Order: sequence, then C-alpha cells, then structure tokens
Amino acid sequence: DIQMTQSPSTLSASVGDRVTIICRASQSISSWLAWYQQKPGKAPKLLIYKASSLESGVPSRFSGSGSGTEFTLTISSLQPDDFATYYCQQYNSYLLTFGGGTKVEVK
Amino acid sequence: QVQLVESGGGVVQPGGSLRLSCAASGFTFSGYGMHWVRQAPGKGLEWVAFIRYDGSSKYYADSVKGRFTISRDNSKNTVYLQMNSLRPEDTAVCFCAKEGLAHRALSEYMDVWGKGTTVTVSS
Repeated sequence: DIQMTQSPSTLSASVGDRVTIICRASQSISSWLAWYQQKPGKAPKLLIYKASSLESGVPSRFSGSGSGTEFTLTISSLQPDDFATYYCQQYNSYLLTFGGGTKVEVK
Repeated sequence: QVQLVESGGGVVQPGGSLRLSCAASGFTFSGYGMHWVRQAPGKGLEWVAFIRYDGSSKYYADSVKGRFTISRDNSKNTVYLQMNSLRPEDTAVCFCAKEGLAHRALSEYMDVWGKGTTVTVSS
C-alpha cells in the first residue's frame, strides 16, 4: 500500500497567517492527490483534487501544489473558519490511503 | 441537493455483525461509485471499501477484506456495508461518500460525504 505522511501533525497559527501543510507519498503518485478539511464532529469536506484543482465553492485562499511524492496545501490568509484538521488522500492506487492529518489550531 | 444519509450503526459484541445503509438523493446514483470511510475515536480517516457505479468491481482495505462486503441497489439509490466478525478495533464513525467523477472504473476521490453512523464493538 502507498503510505501518506503529513507534516506537521499540529500547526499553531493566527488569523491572517499564511499556512502550509506538507504531504509526502511513499512512492510516486503523479498528481493523484486530494485534500480534505474536517471539523470536530463533522464529515470531511473536499477542498482540492488532482493535486491543484480547487473544488467548486471552496474559497480561493486554498491552493494545492506538487507532484510525484511531495505535495503542499496552502492557505494564503487563514480565516476563523479554517481552524480544522486537514487530510491528504492518494488515489494513484485503487487502494486509497489518507495521511494522518494536520490539525490547525489557534496560536 | 446532493445528500447521503447513513443508518444501521449501533453497539454489537465482538464477533457480531451489522449492516450499514446509505441512502442517496439529489444525483444520478447509478452513475457514481460509492465509498465507505471510517474514523476511530480520536483518530484519522481510514478508507474501507469502494463499489463501482454498476457494482461490477469492489475494493477493500486489507484491514476489512474477507469480513466486510460492500454492495449497492441502484433501484433504491442505496449502498450497503455488511460488517461481519466485528472486532473492538472496528469501533468507529462510518461515513459513506460519493465518488467525485461519474462512470469511473477505479476508486479516486470523494466529493460528497454523509454525516456518518457510529459503530461500537464492545462486550
């Protein structure tokens, strides 16, 4: 199985900060990567697919980049609604795998 | 609007069985693959199973292969997860999710999620 590793596991930030989350794959996954946001007690929400394509309705402050084994999710200016946990997920293999998550908390 | 509603969760003893259901509405169900994803208490997301839009292919995580079975009834707009030989480590919130693109042969990403149903395996 393809292993996905996210860093950091926790990130402390303030409103207005630029935030970057890294996701690494154990082997090349081309651009077959999605990012999700999850708030406590809620279902995940799709943010980005195919590494850099923004899902409809998602604010443009979210962006994704990368290919191969290293990917980033960037929030250009953190908003109060963005404090949440973020997960990457690969779909290069039909056996899907998620990263362990990055919790973005208030500094 | 597009909606997924899970049901069937509950408390079951180790070794027992449960069948989860996920009722879909607001989209052409027969055109989309469907997933089950679970989340143990305080843990991250774990993909569990996928069924192709026409039911012709099914894929499972190693942790559930041989114990869980995904199925669908396109006439009822419903996807199911039959869970047998349950273990305490299967305790989780189980989400059903819709595949992002129509008529895909393989599992990819999920663009709509249900609110989840809780499965607790305990004696």
